[in-house]
Amino acid sequence: GENVEQHPSTLSVQEGDSAVIKCTYSDSASNYFPWYKQELGKRPQLIIDIRSNVGEKKDQRIAVTLNKTAKHFSLHITETQPEDSAVYFCAASIGGYSSASKIIFGSGTRLSIRP
Amino acid sequence: DTGVSQDPRHKITKRGQNVTFRCDPISEHNRLYWYRQTLGQGPEFLTYFQNEAQLEKSRLLSDRFSAERPKGSFSTLEIQRTEQGDSAMYLCASSAPSGRATDTQYFGPGTRLTVL
Repeated sequence: GENVEQHPSTLSVQEGDSAVIKCTYSDSASNYFPWYKQELGKRPQLIIDIRSNVGEKKDQRIAVTLNKTAKHFSLHITETQPEDSAVYFCAASIGGYSSASKIIFGSGTRLSIRP
Repeated sequence: DTGVSQDPRHKITKRGQNVTFRCDPISEHNRLYWYRQTLGQGPEFLTYFQNEAQLEKSRLLSDRFSAERPKGSFSTLEIQRTEQGDSAMYLCASSAPSGRATDTQYFGPGTRLTVL
């Protein structure tokens, strides 16, 4: 069935170092890949997204890469800061253009930044 | 606050009771989604509206769950005969038409349901 796998489930990095979270998806028609950050007790917040017509997108310290052939996409956070500590979710659209807007989430990565 | 809002934020109920949650999307967002999130998991898709039409409902969703969006603005999610397994955070999201098949979804704060 349709699924998104996310690794690792927990990640601890030293402040200032980089963090990488990886996801794989199963639906070859997926064309939209958002990443959400969720702090404890708060709503998921979109931090970056990428569509299938590009292979990489950057926004300040955050970048996302997409490999459609391998059905992999990754989140890269550079120069990590304490406020980056949160749970991060990847997601992928399902059904391509014939099934608008449905997205499936990964199980999340709990990122901790050590001071 | 012009973001997605949900009411109530917390609901405690006894097993077997019915509960109803409300979601108000961002103004002019025509798509509205309901998700369920349990501890340590990502949001799980429940159902989705485009304007007042319910376009898709998860195959995993029990018949005890029903959602409406009668005027294409706010939406309600009702759970009948609640069970302890229904305890979760219920999230609502909305998106605006962008000309693309999949639009950016913005989430509300959620309603945390506890079934005793």
